[in-house]
Amino acid sequence: GAGVSQTPSNKVTEKGKYVELRCDPISGHTALYWYRQSLGQGPEFLIYFQGTGAADDSGLPNDRFFAVRPEGSVSTLKIQRTERGDSAVYLCASSLGTLGAEAFFGQGTRLTVV
Amino acid sequence: QQQVKQSPQSLIVQKGGISIINCAYENTAFDYFPWYQQFPGKGPALLIAIRPDVSEKKEGRFTISFNKSAKQFSLHIMDSQPGDSATYFCAASVIFTGNQFYFGTGTSLTVIP
Repeated sequence: GAGVSQTPSNKVTEKGKYVELRCDPISGHTALYWYRQSLGQGPEFLIYFQGTGAADDSGLPNDRFFAVRPEGSVSTLKIQRTERGDSAVYLCASSLGTLGAEAFFGQGTRLTVV
Repeated sequence: QQQVKQSPQSLIVQKGGISIINCAYENTAFDYFPWYQQFPGKGPALLIAIRPDVSEKKEGRFTISFNKSAKQFSLHIMDSQPGDSATYFCAASVIFTGNQFYFGTGTSLTVIP
């Protein structure tokens, strides 16, 4: 596709439920990032993939959060036992993976936990 | 702990004026400093970026000024236009460790016609 695509654009779930958020990066981009943006704040780093492997998952807040990228393209962010504090916009970005390559962001998935 | 501090939180500028947003960082390992522009309901989009080996970079109406010794950098928008009204984020990263960004808290810019 022309840009980074994230689905769904909006997700409302009940506290305690499991959710999956999907990211389709730009074709050919080997690096993929997940960020979380709370209202009125800047994006906060969650995890970075280079190819299929998670090169840095130091931003994941706890073990309820997990992300995969099994074929080095599409990535899924998984959140177990959702809490109201997980409500935020989850942003995905991708880049060519070379040093200083520009990161392109998707429009985000707005997650609301009620 | 906020790795990149950004000010002001909001800014109102008359059309044709200069908009200035400031950021400061602590981690001297940072070696890439981009500015992102975000419109409501959209993801951030890269506006302009600088490496610490230069003190200034200009692209059209947008200029980054960088002060390595003070660990500060700023965005100047010349001849501000209503279409520039958006939220601006500064960020910093270490390119060699994967380039994951640490963002500032954002500045909401409103340009009045």
